[in-house]
Amino acid sequence: AQRVTQPEKLLSVFKGAPVELKCNYSYSGSPELFWYVQYSRQRLQLLLRHISRESIKGFTADLNKGETSFHLKKPFAQEEDSAMYYCALSNNAGNMLTFGGGTRLMVKP
Amino acid sequence: GAVVSQHPSWVICKSGTSVKIECRSLDFQATTMFWYRQFPKQSLMLMATSNEGSKATYEQGVEKDKFLINHASLTLSTLTVTSAHPEDSSFYICSAFPPGPPTEAFFGQGTRLTVV
Repeated sequence: AQRVTQPEKLLSVFKGAPVELKCNYSYSGSPELFWYVQYSRQRLQLLLRHISRESIKGFTADLNKGETSFHLKKPFAQEEDSAMYYCALSNNAGNMLTFGGGTRLMVKP
Repeated sequence: GAVVSQHPSWVICKSGTSVKIECRSLDFQATTMFWYRQFPKQSLMLMATSNEGSKATYEQGVEKDKFLINHASLTLSTLTVTSAHPEDSSFYICSAFPPGPPTEAFFGQGTRLTVV
C-alpha cells in the first residue's frame, strides 16, 4: 500500500527565513512524487513534480529514495507563500494520487 | 492546462433534501474522476473513484447510499448527497487526470455545501 506522511500540520516562519516542509512516503514500486499547493480561496494546483527537477516560485524538492523522503524547500520564504501544501504520490499507472495530510505554511511579516 | 469545472460553487440546502454536484472535464476526456471531501483547514480525504460506465469505487467508511456517484459520460461525473444533514456540510472537490504523460491531476474549484 502506498502512503504519504507530512508530519507537520502547521509551519510558521518569518519572511526571509528558510522553510522546509517534510514529506515521507512508502511505496513498493518506483514512485512519482508531487507537491500541490492550495492558496486561500483557490483550487488545488500542481507546484512541482520530482521528475522535472525544476524550481517553481523558488521551491525545490529532491527525491531521496534512501530516506523515502521528498521534502519541499525554499531558502527565503515570502508572505505570498502562505498556503496549504500537499505532498502526493502517484500510482504506477499515473492515474491516481495519494495525498499526505497537508502542511499549512504561514509566513509572517 | 486542462480544466476541471464544478457546479455549483456553493450551495445551501435544508436537512433531508438531496444535492447534486457536477464535475466536468472541459477540454479532455476522463474515464476516471475522483471525489474528495475537505474539512476546514484539513487535508483532502478521498471519498470515491468515479468510473465512466461502471460503478464507483468507494473508500472505506464512505456510505455508498449517502453519496451517490454517476459517471455518465467521459466528461461528466456527478456526486449526489442524499438526505443531507448538517454533518455533511463540507467542501467537496473533484479531480481528473488528462490522458498521457506527464502525470498531473487537475482539480475543480470545489463546492461548498452547507446543510441547515
